Amino acid sequence: QVQLQESGPGLVKPSGTLSLTCTVSGGSISSSVWWTWVRQSPGKGLEWIGEIYHSGSTNYNPSLKSRVTISVDKSKNQFSLNLSSVTAADTAVYYCARYFYYYVDVWGKGTTVTVSS
Amino acid sequence: EIVLTQSPGTLSLSPGERATLSCRATQSLSSSYLAWYQQKPGQAPRLLIFGTSTRATGIPDRFSGSGSGTDFTLTISRLEPEDFAVYYCQQYYSSQRTFGQGTKVEIK
Repeated sequence: QVQLQESGPGLVKPSGTLSLTCTVSGGSISSSVWWTWVRQSPGKGLEWIGEIYHSGSTNYNPSLKSRVTISVDKSKNQFSLNLSSVTAADTAVYYCARYFYYYVDVWGKGTTVTVSS
Repeated sequence: EIVLTQSPGTLSLSPGERATLSCRATQSLSSSYLAWYQQKPGQAPRLLIFGTSTRATGIPDRFSGSGSGTDFTLTISRLEPEDFAVYYCQQYYSSQRTFGQGTKVEIK
């Protein structure tokens, strides 16, 4: 059974870069699925950030595209999120997840990232 | 970009009652591309329904999904105490995915 685990700093300074990694266990990151990042600001709904295929193909939310990079490391069975020029509005719980065709069938537990000096 | 609008924002019901949640898209969607999730406080979302009407593994049959085009519905036939949560619809179109803003089902 595939499991996902987010890791990374819980505190990022304004104007800095938020970097998170998702480790895939119980399965291969080279499966025919899309690996994605979703976030949820405090008390708010879910926001799709973007996704990556094991080949390196990516799709991003247009509202975040200029600041987002998602990459994959097949040797480590991991994928990563970089979000640059962060502000307090980027404070959120960040989830990594697996899109099986058109729906998320596996979610990580989520990690809280706070943007503050 | 397709926007999903869920209504109502909050639904106040009693256990045993029927819940009807709406999700409306700004463009027509393939029925394959619409999913529903349940989220409880402090937890990651959980897949309930995919392809508009197919229940995910382990989801009780009191949950059902329907709809087509731009209008989709999640129905909970008889609310159990564990069903009080926030529900999100989500779509895929042209390599983009969006979520609705959520409907909170609360105990009346």
